[in-house]
Amino acid sequence: DTGVSQNPRHKITKRGQNVTFRCDPISEHNRLYWYRQTLGQGPEFLTYFQNEAQLEKSRLLSDRFSAERPKGSFSTLEIQRTEQGDSAMYLCASSFPGPGQPQHFGDGTRLSIL
Amino acid sequence: AQTVTQSQPEMSVQEAETVTLSCTYDTSESDYYLFWYKQPPSRQMILVIRQEAYKQQNATENRFSVNFQKAAKSFSLKISDSQLGDAAMYFCAYRNSGNTPLVFGKGTRLSVIA
Repeated sequence: DTGVSQNPRHKITKRGQNVTFRCDPISEHNRLYWYRQTLGQGPEFLTYFQNEAQLEKSRLLSDRFSAERPKGSFSTLEIQRTEQGDSAMYLCASSFPGPGQPQHFGDGTRLSIL
Repeated sequence: AQTVTQSQPEMSVQEAETVTLSCTYDTSESDYYLFWYKQPPSRQMILVIRQEAYKQQNATENRFSVNFQKAAKSFSLKISDSQLGDAAMYFCAYRNSGNTPLVFGKGTRLSVIA
């Protein structure tokens, strides 16, 4: 069990550019979640997958955001035409199915928009 | 919509002493789960303790215990014999019994004074 891995750890980009983040969950976990965390706030849910199916998307996930989980393994989160307000920590978590199952988090990707 | 409130943005405790972090939540559900997560500086979020709403007995994990008051919708975390390594952001989180995402509070920053 190597834990949840996220890459890159930091991403600095200019406004208007596209960025893509990757998350590798714990291999036995079929649930994968994306959250966004801004300074001084708790994580906010963006979307989640069960295997390769995207089951729920938050209204925070505008049409500039897209997430995929091909083959039910790793996941990518892409942000197109980045804006200043996209600056945040993007957290990935994975778990077994079931509401009581704890979610295991990665270190996150910190996005800074210049 | 469910909400989680952590009314203490910052707390401090002397090493070896006991501290209690507060959390209240709002829900109309009767079956749900509550969690406390710890996020050390620049490190990943980890689960501290979990409580199932249908269980009356308060959860305990070593030096960490909760005071779950279902009628009052209160879920406080007690840390006994505080250690320097306990210094972190602590987030209270709620989840329905269905396939709903975690809802986090804004967090409490705990400092431990040697």
